[in-house]
Amino acid sequence: DIQMTQSPSSLSASVGERVTITCRASQGIGNSLAWFQQKPGKAPKSLIFAASSLHSGVPSRFSGSASGTDFTLTISSLQPEDFATYYCQQYTTYPYNFGQGTKLEIK
Amino acid sequence: EVQLVESGGGLVQPGGSLRLSCAASGFTFSSYSMNWVRQAPGKGLEWVSFLSDTTRTIYYADSVKGRFTISRDNAKNSLFLQMDSLTAEDTAVYYCTRSRPLGGVTPDYWGQGTLVTVSS
Repeated sequence: DIQMTQSPSSLSASVGERVTITCRASQGIGNSLAWFQQKPGKAPKSLIFAASSLHSGVPSRFSGSASGTDFTLTISSLQPEDFATYYCQQYTTYPYNFGQGTKLEIK
Repeated sequence: EVQLVESGGGLVQPGGSLRLSCAASGFTFSSYSMNWVRQAPGKGLEWVSFLSDTTRTIYYADSVKGRFTISRDNAKNSLFLQMDSLTAEDTAVYYCTRSRPLGGVTPDYWGQGTLVTVSS
């Protein structure tokens, strides 16, 4: 199975800051990587697929990139509504494992 | 507007069974692969099962293989998850998700979830 490791597990940041979350795959997955956002008590929402393509309606301050087996989610200027937990998922081969999540909190 | 509405969750005893349903609307259901994803209380997301649009491809997580069965009724725009031999470790919110179009796998839309509690 392909394991997905996110870092950091939690992160404190201020409104307006630039934030980066990393997801590392245990083996090559090409660009088959997605990012999701989940707020407390709510269903996850899709943000990014194919490592860097934004889901429809997702603000342009979100971006994704890839370098080998390392993937990053960047929020260019944090907004109050961005404080949430973020998950990555690989979907190159099943089981389509998620990372353990990164909780983004207000500083 | 894409909508996915899960139902069928509830309290069940260990060893029992439950059948989850997901009613889809706002898109051509028969053209999309679907997934179930679950989340135990206070924990992260866990992919459970995948069913292709043609039903030719079915995958399960090892944790549910042999106990859970995914299926669909395209005429009724519905996805199902039959869960048997339930244990406390199956306690979670279960989300129905639509896969991305054109043979995609990863979710693009999520339902609101239905809670399954396995307890005596």
